[in-house]
Amino acid sequence: DTGVSQDPRHKITKRGQNVTFRCDPISEHNRLYWYRQTLGQGPEFLTYFQNEAQLEKSRLLSDRFSAERPKGSFSTLEIQRTEQGDSAMYLCASSNLEQFFGPGTRLTVL
Amino acid sequence: DQQVKQNSPSLSVQEGRISILNCDYTNSMFDYFLWYKKYPAEGPTFLISISSIKDKNEDGRFTVFLNKSAKHLSLHIVPSQPGDSAVYFCAASSAYAGNNRKLIWGLGTSLAVNP
Repeated sequence: DTGVSQDPRHKITKRGQNVTFRCDPISEHNRLYWYRQTLGQGPEFLTYFQNEAQLEKSRLLSDRFSAERPKGSFSTLEIQRTEQGDSAMYLCASSNLEQFFGPGTRLTVL
Repeated sequence: DQQVKQNSPSLSVQEGRISILNCDYTNSMFDYFLWYKKYPAEGPTFLISISSIKDKNEDGRFTVFLNKSAKHLSLHIVPSQPGDSAVYFCAASSAYAGNNRKLIWGLGTSLAVNP
């Protein structure tokens, strides 16, 4: 247990539905990252928060994706109008120096 | 364009022997390197890291070596144990991005340690 939790662990949804994932980082860490991992690939960077400020978004993050970290603590990642290509493992990490990862949320879009 | 490369998709070693996992990178701005271990359906687990000002870092059975001139690093596991069987990812970050230490990852090497 790294101290980073993610909820839910698994999500199955139909194409076109909206989904929201939550990440609770290690409390003293002010940096929070979201990554996406598909089969056979390493994780790919999606977005980064320093406290409550979202400081960088990857080009992978289309307009259907939005992330928030309203009080600089937990974060949410929402995907609107899901597509089958969104199926992946969504990973959250918190960091002061090394990044510690949560267990991930496995999204399957049917 | 794969900036971090792990050219061996898989590696099989005998229990008690040394496992050597290799990683190459192309971006000379990378200054911090990490190794993670991952089991299926779990998030990556941090193993060991090394700053570019060092050429070696050791933690128990795990040692990471960095050769900056060759843009190459390796993870040595001695002695290897069956519980080490997992996918190992090499990752790198750059101070050029400021406080955003986003990690750039290799594709992973699947290690199997046979009893």
